[in-house]
Amino acid sequence: DAKTTQPTSMDCAEGRAANLPCNHSTISGNEYVYWYRQIHSQGPQYIIHGLKNNETNEMASLIITEDRKSSTLILPHATLRDTAVYYCIVGAGRRALTFGSGTRLQVQP
Amino acid sequence: NAGVTQTPKFQVLKTGQSMTLQCAQDMNHEYMSWYRQDPGMGLRLIHYSVGAGITDQGEVPNGYNVSRSTTEDFPLRLLSAAPSQTSVYFCASSVFGLAQETQYFGPGTRLLVL
Repeated sequence: DAKTTQPTSMDCAEGRAANLPCNHSTISGNEYVYWYRQIHSQGPQYIIHGLKNNETNEMASLIITEDRKSSTLILPHATLRDTAVYYCIVGAGRRALTFGSGTRLQVQP
Repeated sequence: NAGVTQTPKFQVLKTGQSMTLQCAQDMNHEYMSWYRQDPGMGLRLIHYSVGAGITDQGEVPNGYNVSRSTTEDFPLRLLSAAPSQTSVYFCASSVFGLAQETQYFGPGTRLLVL
């Protein structure tokens, strides 16, 4: 599976958009980009995934560059409850997810 | 649906003791897995199963056994607990099929080995 690179931490003001970047320059053509988050010590929670096209759901938007070497997770209106560690993962055809260290997002009031 | 449930929530063991961490899901998912998460680290895969009667090793399987006699249950057994196994253990499940690996995680079991 391709490796990913994420910033260690980020801050965001409450009510503003949080943009979390991820680099995955070695991604293969059949690999998806997944985003999960882990709030405090809870189990990871699925957010969104995509292959080539941008995706949006009720939680977030995922923007994938045309060359697929990087992506950005967007939380449109961050709240204090969005404070968490966000994991960007790439993979395909396998059930195991390889979690890196993620980005610790702190939403400030 | 209860989703993925794990018991116990917290456990203290002495070195050398054995125990079983329980995991159950009610979503009829074929795929189930166990991860451990050490402080400040990401999750590491211990064992996984793609269906009843089928299990395989993950990244860090030593010291752990699993079995999958039913679709719903996937217990993790610690054979002889060691302090290095102090960690938070998460169970996860998903549909087995396409590459869309949306996994559902349980709340975790916090294990302290003295």
